[in-house]
Amino acid sequence: DAGVTQSPTHLIKTRGQQVTLRCSPKSGHDTVSWYQQALGQGPQFIFQYYEEEERQRGNFPDRFSGHQFPNYSSELNVNALLLGDSALYLCASSDRTGTVDYEQYFGPGTRLTVT
Amino acid sequence: RKEVEQDPGPFNVPEGATVAFNCTYSNSASQSFFWYRQDCRKEPKLLMSVYSSGNEDGRFTAQLNRASQYISLLIRDSKLSDSATYLCVVNMADAGKSTFGDGTTLTVKP
Repeated sequence: DAGVTQSPTHLIKTRGQQVTLRCSPKSGHDTVSWYQQALGQGPQFIFQYYEEEERQRGNFPDRFSGHQFPNYSSELNVNALLLGDSALYLCASSDRTGTVDYEQYFGPGTRLTVT
Repeated sequence: RKEVEQDPGPFNVPEGATVAFNCTYSNSASQSFFWYRQDCRKEPKLLMSVYSSGNEDGRFTAQLNRASQYISLLIRDSKLSDSATYLCVVNMADAGKSTFGDGTTLTVKP
C-alpha cells in the first residue's frame, strides 16, 4: 500500500521564479491538504482540495495556488517566490468519506530553498 | 495569541521517566484532536487521536478537556526512541482545516 508521495524532494529557486510541487495521496484517500513548515514551527495550513476544488484556505496570499486531478493527485504552485517562502512543503491526504476524525497522513515533503 | 499553543519545551528526561505535554486551543468550535510525532527533518506521523473519554495506546495516554479547551499527552517509561517533536493538532468542524501547534521537543537521555 503506497503512502503519500511528493516530488521533488529538494528544490532551489531564485527569488521571483515560480515553482510547482506535486503530491500523490495514499491509496483510497480523496482529500489532499498542503502545509508550509518553517524551521522551528509547526506546519501551517495552506489549502485543502477535495473533488478537484479548493475547499478551505489558510492565511496565504494568492501567489499560492493549487489543483487536484481526477486521480486525486495534487499540485501546489507558488508564483513570484520570496526568500520567506523557503520552507518544507508537506502534503497530507485523508479520506473525507471515512471516519469523522479525518486522520491525515503526510508525505515526506519538498524542501524549497529560495535564494 | 496563537490558535493552538503548546508547552515551549524542550524537555530533557532520563530513560524510564514519565513526561507530560500540554496543549490549549482557542476555538471552542474545534471538533477533533490529534497528537503527531515529528522526527528531525521528517514528516509528521500520527501518534494518536484524542477523545473526550481519554484514550491509551501502550505507554501513551491522551486526554481532552473540552470545557478548559485543553489537550494532554502522557508518556510513561520513556525510551530513547521517543525523542522527537510532538505536535498538537486541532481540526475544525468538517475537518477542512487543521491547526498545528509549534510542537514540543522531547529528548530522552540514557
